[in-house]
Amino acid sequence: DTGVSQNPRHKITKRGQNVTFRCDPISEHNRLYWYRQTLGQGPEFLTYFQNEAQLEKSRLLSDRFSAERPKGSFSTLEIQRTEQGDSAMYLCASSQRVAPNTPQYFGPGTRLTVL
Amino acid sequence: KQEVTQIPAALSVPEGENLVLNCSFTDSAIYNLQWFRQDPGKGLTSLLLIQSSQREQTSGRLNASLDKSSGRSTLYIAASQPGDSATYLCAAPRGYQKVTFGIGTKLQVIP
Repeated sequence: DTGVSQNPRHKITKRGQNVTFRCDPISEHNRLYWYRQTLGQGPEFLTYFQNEAQLEKSRLLSDRFSAERPKGSFSTLEIQRTEQGDSAMYLCASSQRVAPNTPQYFGPGTRLTVL
Repeated sequence: KQEVTQIPAALSVPEGENLVLNCSFTDSAIYNLQWFRQDPGKGLTSLLLIQSSQREQTSGRLNASLDKSSGRSTLYIAASQPGDSATYLCAAPRGYQKVTFGIGTKLQVIP
């Protein structure tokens, strides 16, 4: 078990381009979460999957953002027509659906810079 | 809506000092409270998770307490070391899914 992994670790793109990030959770974890963290702030919840079902989305997740978890394993987060305000660290976390009292384990994050 | 506040926002202490980081939350109907460490430009490392039925958890030099009725948690770090320098975040879940984070306390331990 290597923990939660995210790729790429860094992404620099020009405004208007589309970007896609990938998250591989801990193998036996069926819950997967995406967060966004801007400089000097705590992470903010974006969306959450239980297996392949996307169960909750934050208002922060505009229609330019889409997340998928097609087989209930890895997940992708796509941002279309990127804007400078999308520049942030995108964090993925996973947990087990055993009980609510299970911790979330975070990946190293993908840092996005939109020029 | 859960709101999490952390005080102080930044803290600088000499090596060896014991210190306390504070976290307060508005919705006491939490399942647990989790403390994380974040190094600059890195992801989050889970330090301690306190179940709602527990009052405290200990791991090495770290001790976290939880008082649901007052909406407060503290993280106590004993005998601080320069390697403890990082941002410490507390997080309180609202329901099963969404975790609300504080802004964090940026700790610097001076050798």
